[in-house]
Amino acid sequence: NAGVTQTPKFQVLKTGQSMTLQCAQDMNHNSMYWYRQDPGMGLRLIYYSASEGTTDKGEVPNGYNVSRLNKREFSLRLESAAPSQTSVYFCASRVGVVADTQYFGPGTRLTVL
Amino acid sequence: AQSVTQPDIHITVSEGASLELRCNYSYGATPYLFWYVQSPGQGLQLLLKYFSGDTLVQGIKGFEAEFKRSQSSFNLRKPSVHWSDAAEYFCAVGASSTDSWGKLQFGAGTQVVVTP
Repeated sequence: NAGVTQTPKFQVLKTGQSMTLQCAQDMNHNSMYWYRQDPGMGLRLIYYSASEGTTDKGEVPNGYNVSRLNKREFSLRLESAAPSQTSVYFCASRVGVVADTQYFGPGTRLTVL
Repeated sequence: AQSVTQPDIHITVSEGASLELRCNYSYGATPYLFWYVQSPGQGLQLLLKYFSGDTLVQGIKGFEAEFKRSQSSFNLRKPSVHWSDAAEYFCAVGASSTDSWGKLQFGAGTQVVVTP
């Protein structure tokens, strides 16, 4: 099992450009999450998908959209990137029962100039 | 809503010495508590978790944590630190209600530096 995979690993954008971060899991998990990590702020939830076909906002959703393409894949889109979106982005997944563990991908380091 | 505080931003410890990382949470009911570790340039790896039962929880890599309801704390400990333990450590809390959908609130993290 590869677990949770993310592409790309690194990306540099110019302000106003768009891009999609891809996430896939092969653990047959129901729930998936997107976080951003900024120095001194821990991880903050952007969007989550409790199950296939549903998505909902987290703590910091502004400037982002998501798509739960199928049970395996959950993508994060930046429509018009801003320097404030420079961050490390992590995808995570979990089975979906109460209190189970979230498993994290390796992250995408995004720089917006 | 739940919240997590990790009071120590940065800790330096000598190899072979003991380590304790503090975590305080705020949540109205019994929380689910996690400790994750992040090595440089890597994703987060689960060290241990507490759901219920024994308040002293054993994890991987020789770590343990103790849940103290009266102090709203979930401190992480290791008796003897190895150089490979240099990393950033995150405490996280999850709500026990089913409609929380497993969302976690993370602390800001504690950076651990291990000196020879």
